[in-house]
This record gives sequence, C-alpha cells and structure tokens, in this order.
Amino acid sequence: DTAVSQTPKYLVTQMGNDKSIKCEQNLGHDTMYWYKQDSKKFLKIMFSYNNKELIINETVPNRFSPKSPDKAHLNLHINSLELGDSAVYFCASSQDFPPANYGYTFGSGTRLTVV
Amino acid sequence: GESVGLHLPTLSVQEGDNSIINCAYSNSASDYFIWYKQESGKGPQFIIDIRSNMDKRQGQRVTVLLNKTVKHLSLQIAATQPGDSAVYFCAVRYNFNKFYFGSGTKLNVKP
Repeated sequence: DTAVSQTPKYLVTQMGNDKSIKCEQNLGHDTMYWYKQDSKKFLKIMFSYNNKELIINETVPNRFSPKSPDKAHLNLHINSLELGDSAVYFCASSQDFPPANYGYTFGSGTRLTVV
Repeated sequence: GESVGLHLPTLSVQEGDNSIINCAYSNSASDYFIWYKQESGKGPQFIIDIRSNMDKRQGQRVTVLLNKTVKHLSLQIAATQPGDSAVYFCAVRYNFNKFYFGSGTKLNVKP
C-alpha cells in the first residue's frame, strides 16, 4: 500500500555509466517531481510533470532526462554519470500544482553513489 | 527568489521536554509554509502547514507559529518523545509554484 515507491533504494555505479531510477505513485495525484538531496540535506527540485507534461525543469544537466509514460509514473534516466551526481534522489507527488494542501508526498529515496 | 535557513543544524532535548525548531525565510511574498519530518532512510513526511493569512496552527503535539513581520517560522513539539528524533525541514512556497527547503535541523531526543 506504499503511496510513492521508487526503485532501487541503493544504486552504486561507476563513472560514465547510464542508470535509471523508477517511480510510481498510487495516490491518483496529477503531478510528480524529482528532488535531489545533497550531503548537507538540502532538497532541490529538478523536474516536475503534470499529467505527463513537463512543467518545471530547473537548471539540471542534459544528462538527466525524466520520462513520464503515464501520470502515475515518472522515471529518471541519467547518462554518463559523474562523481558529483552522488546524492539521494526523491520522487514526490502532489494532488495539485502548485502543491496546495499537504504539499508533497515523498518516496523513500534512492541513494546513488558514483565511484 | 527565496532562500530558507534553519537556525540550528542540531538540537538535543531531553525526553518529555518541549522542542522548538526555527526557520527563517527571505521573501515577504511567500504564502504557504510546511514542516516536514525525515527519519533516517526515509523520505520527508508532512507534519503541519500554515498559510500566510494565519499566525498559528496546532496539530497533535505540534504547533507552527508564523511571524510575517520578521519572516520567521517555528515548529514546537510538546513532550518530545524518542520517536520524534529525525531531521526537520521547513518548506516555503514562493512565486506560486516553487517550494524552497531549508537545510534541516536534526533533533536528538535523549532518554
């Protein structure tokens, strides 16, 4: 009965590899997001999709490409991974855009380590 | 834009005491504020929110206070319990569609 689920939970990979993180929500929300949390715990938005359409694209390298096959899924693909990409990536969803009541529902995070 | 800062990176309290976590924001146009709790290995979870037309809101054991004059937000936790140990974030909505998060305050509850 997990509301926002993302896989994998841990991802260790070498520099230069390409990897994907998957996210699914069963809340019926219209909007999904990817956030990056750095080692100092700062949360910063990367992307937002509303009904499969991109609505927020922050200053993120082109190596990061989100894909939303339907409004319940938002996957994140990362090409040519770099050491600086190491972080925890959170998927989130909200009923409304912008989030109004209760803000976001977050997944449990994917800890990406690039070696 | 907006920038959000928390006053203390770590706060240690005795079990049973009250905890106060503070957050400062920079833009007076910010209109919606949320406190999140993040336990180790989990994503942030909604605790309580407040809109800019209010200055106080209470939940179960938690109270959020908003002082728009000095652009300050606080979260008060009554009778702090070991299960309250976590990192607490404030999130501030500015320019209608963007939330800015503070860096978090880690609350340690000592038994």
